[in-house]
Amino acid sequence: EPEVTQTPSHQVTQMGQEVILRCVPISNHLYFYWYRQILGQKVEFLVSFYNNEISEKSEIFDDQFSVERPDGSNFTLKIRSTKLEDSAMYFCASSPVVVGYNSPLHFGNGTRLTVT
Amino acid sequence: GNSVTQMEGPVTLSEEAFLTINCTYTATGYPSLFWYVQYPGEGLQLLLKATKADDKGSNKGFEATYRKETTSFHLEKGSVQVSDSAVYFCALIMMSGNKLVFGAGTILRVKS
Repeated sequence: EPEVTQTPSHQVTQMGQEVILRCVPISNHLYFYWYRQILGQKVEFLVSFYNNEISEKSEIFDDQFSVERPDGSNFTLKIRSTKLEDSAMYFCASSPVVVGYNSPLHFGNGTRLTVT
Repeated sequence: GNSVTQMEGPVTLSEEAFLTINCTYTATGYPSLFWYVQYPGEGLQLLLKATKADDKGSNKGFEATYRKETTSFHLEKGSVQVSDSAVYFCALIMMSGNKLVFGAGTILRVKS
């Protein structure tokens, strides 16, 4: 069964550094998402992406964050200048159509980001 | 705003015990409700869903019934196995929305 793949599985970075989290969504999917989970807290929506542009973003997704689909297969999340509070598990997800009642998200295994 | 509240874990059970993980929601409207599961080292997988009141979602022996009157979607399984050890997330999505709202997750540990 096709899977969403994320790399790396764990990334450690110093505060103030830029990081890029990478995702390869399922190939025929059209909608892409990033969620994150700070340890012990809820899984939170960050951003959705469709047709090469952001379709919705949360208040967490400020100017330090950006997303890109640089080619036909990758979907990346960039954090320009990491802060300690960016430490979290970041999940990429995709769906063939807009997620809703009958179209669940397919999630990757996540990237654990640790900012020191 | 819309939100999901789950019982705190970890929940530790012996094999073949009965499982209930409570989930309640707050929503301005009529959401669809989901349970996702995350096995160790893996991503979030859809376990089951229900799209309207009184619907029962079921999969792999797990069940949950959408109760509008109590705004609940409790997860149950009659006899758990060690392989059910995972983190379980309750989530909702509104008809007009395109993003899932998750609960905090409940760790389940099943001992043999």
